[in-house]
Amino acid sequence: DGGITQSPKYLFRKEGQNVTLSCEQNLNHDAMYWYRQDPGQGLRLIYYSQIVNDFQKGDIAEGYSVSREKKESFPLTVTSAQKNPTAFYLCASSMERFQGADTQYFGPGTRLTVL
Amino acid sequence: AQSVTQPDIHITVSEGASLELRCNYSYGATPYLFWYVQSPGQGLQLLLKYFSGDTLVQGIKGFEAEFKRSQSSFNLRKPSVHWSDAAEYFCAVSNQAGTALIFGKGTTLSVSS
Repeated sequence: DGGITQSPKYLFRKEGQNVTLSCEQNLNHDAMYWYRQDPGQGLRLIYYSQIVNDFQKGDIAEGYSVSREKKESFPLTVTSAQKNPTAFYLCASSMERFQGADTQYFGPGTRLTVL
Repeated sequence: AQSVTQPDIHITVSEGASLELRCNYSYGATPYLFWYVQSPGQGLQLLLKYFSGDTLVQGIKGFEAEFKRSQSSFNLRKPSVHWSDAAEYFCAVSNQAGTALIFGKGTTLSVSS
């Protein structure tokens, strides 16, 4: 089955640690995205990538980093510089470079909790 | 700047009753508009989208939405709600650069029996 997988489902981090969230898709999509979801805040864009080896900051990129070395993978690292990382993180992809009308397909999410 | 407003944080509807979830957007040109649904602890699923043509859009699970440019609205409707429709619903608009989506804060739907 084609789709987007995110791992782990739950992640616990101690303050001061970096953690990496995995996102893999086998849909052969060019574009991938990371969103952060907080209760009552909707989804906010962290980073997006329209093509391999290229990515752009979204609205709340501070304290996060990404890489896009392979078309199917777009890992997100939450660094110690992110002051409030506890949230639900969603990865998404779309078929082509996003042109406004493309559907974004979402993974099941990773819930990160800072202890 | 583009923005999306969902005025209702939480709505409760009786099973079998009709539903309307409100969405207002701020956008300078013809927007691309989306409705997504999220079950607890899950990812988002696209219900429907509008980008041109007929202003009444049909989606999955019996949902429809109507684009009204004069009111800057894209309200989601369903004639008869089922208990399985209980979830969080997000309206979204593509940003002006066409590079990503801007989401509203969501409306939580509860269904009472």
